[in-house]
Amino acid sequence: KAGVTQTPRYLIKTRGQQVTLSCSPISGHRSVSWYQQTPGQGLQFLFEYFSETQRNKGNFPGRFSGRQFSNSRSEMNVSTLELGDSALYLCASSPFGDSNQPQHFGDGTRLSIL
Amino acid sequence: AQSVTQPDIHITVSEGASLELRCNYSYGATPYLFWYVQSPGQGLQLLLKYFSGDTLVQGIKGFEAEFKRSQSSFNLRKPSVHWSDAAEYFCAVGRETSGSRLTFGEGTQLTVNP
Repeated sequence: KAGVTQTPRYLIKTRGQQVTLSCSPISGHRSVSWYQQTPGQGLQFLFEYFSETQRNKGNFPGRFSGRQFSNSRSEMNVSTLELGDSALYLCASSPFGDSNQPQHFGDGTRLSIL
Repeated sequence: AQSVTQPDIHITVSEGASLELRCNYSYGATPYLFWYVQSPGQGLQLLLKYFSGDTLVQGIKGFEAEFKRSQSSFNLRKPSVHWSDAAEYFCAVGRETSGSRLTFGEGTQLTVNP
């Protein structure tokens, strides 16, 4: 069974641009969550999507948004990029997003802002 | 709000020595507890989880963890460390009302000396 796939693995952008990251969950998983990982703030929850609906949201500005498609694939968008958005963005999936189901993580997208 | 503390930022052990990584959580009810490991350039891999029942849980790669409610702790242990165990380890907590959302500790970087 293929794992969680995130594309692209690396991205370089400049301030003010926008970026879209993609996540394909494990087949059959309907819940997709996104996390931001930085040296200063650690791992922080961005949001979770289930059945194409945002079900949970972390404490990030509105520049961070996402969506989920009918095949459970998810995209995350960041607009008006800032230097502080440089991070590893991790996607995780689980069958139904229940709290007692382990999350399966992808290898992440490394976003660098110049 | 729930929180997770990993008191040790960096631990160095010799190969073959025993290991204990500390994790303390703050949450009123019984939490769902996880340990993840992250190798450089990769995502998070689940080592083990605790939801209820037996307070000593076994995981992959020879790791185990013990849930101690009285101490609000969920420490990770391994009797004999291998050089391939060098990585960063994260403790995480979830709760029944938060769906798949996890709160992570700051992480402990493990170095293994030959």
